[in-house]
Amino acid sequence: NAGVTQTPKFRILKIGQSMTLQCAQDMNHNYMYWYRQDPGMGLKLIYYSVGAGITDKGEVPNGYNVSRSTTEDFPLRLELAAPSQTSVYFCASSSLSNQPQHFGDGTRLSIL
Amino acid sequence: GESVGLHLPTLSVQEGDNSIINCAYSNSASDYFIWYKQESGKGPQFIIDIRSNMDKRQGQRVTVLLNKTVKHLSLQIAATQPGDSAVYFCAEKPQGGSEKLVFGKGTKLTVNP
Repeated sequence: NAGVTQTPKFRILKIGQSMTLQCAQDMNHNYMYWYRQDPGMGLKLIYYSVGAGITDKGEVPNGYNVSRSTTEDFPLRLELAAPSQTSVYFCASSSLSNQPQHFGDGTRLSIL
Repeated sequence: GESVGLHLPTLSVQEGDNSIINCAYSNSASDYFIWYKQESGKGPQFIIDIRSNMDKRQGQRVTVLLNKTVKHLSLQIAATQPGDSAVYFCAEKPQGGSEKLVFGKGTKLTVNP
């Protein structure tokens, strides 16, 4: 099993550009999450989903959008990139909310 | 409010010693706790978890202790190896409703040969 796969691994954007960070999991997990990790900090939840067609805001949702049309995929969209969104983005999934979350290896995003 | 913190931001140990990484949490309603290991350039990797109805749980070379009285969580690593060098995060999940895991800032463990 590949687990949680994130693409791209690295990206540089200009201010105001948009992009979609891709996340796919092959474990048939219902729960999926997007986090951002700033240097020297823990992870902050951006959005999460408890199943296909259902999404909800986390701690820091401003400037982002998500969709969950299938169980496997949970893309994160940045519409108007801002320097404050420079970070490492991690996607995770779990079978239940009180089960360990499995993380991808992250997307390192710089906005200049 | 909700917060998960760590007593020491860095920890340096000798290979073969036991390591203890500490974590304080503030939400007494949290019912699920988890430790992750993060190596440079990689995503967090699950180590061990514990639910609030337990005070100790053991895995392979790792033990998690939960003291609900003082809201303290610790990760013990036996016979620490160079491959254990990483940043370790604790996280808590408040009981009921929210799916949010609250992460601490992490402790960087360095194992000296």
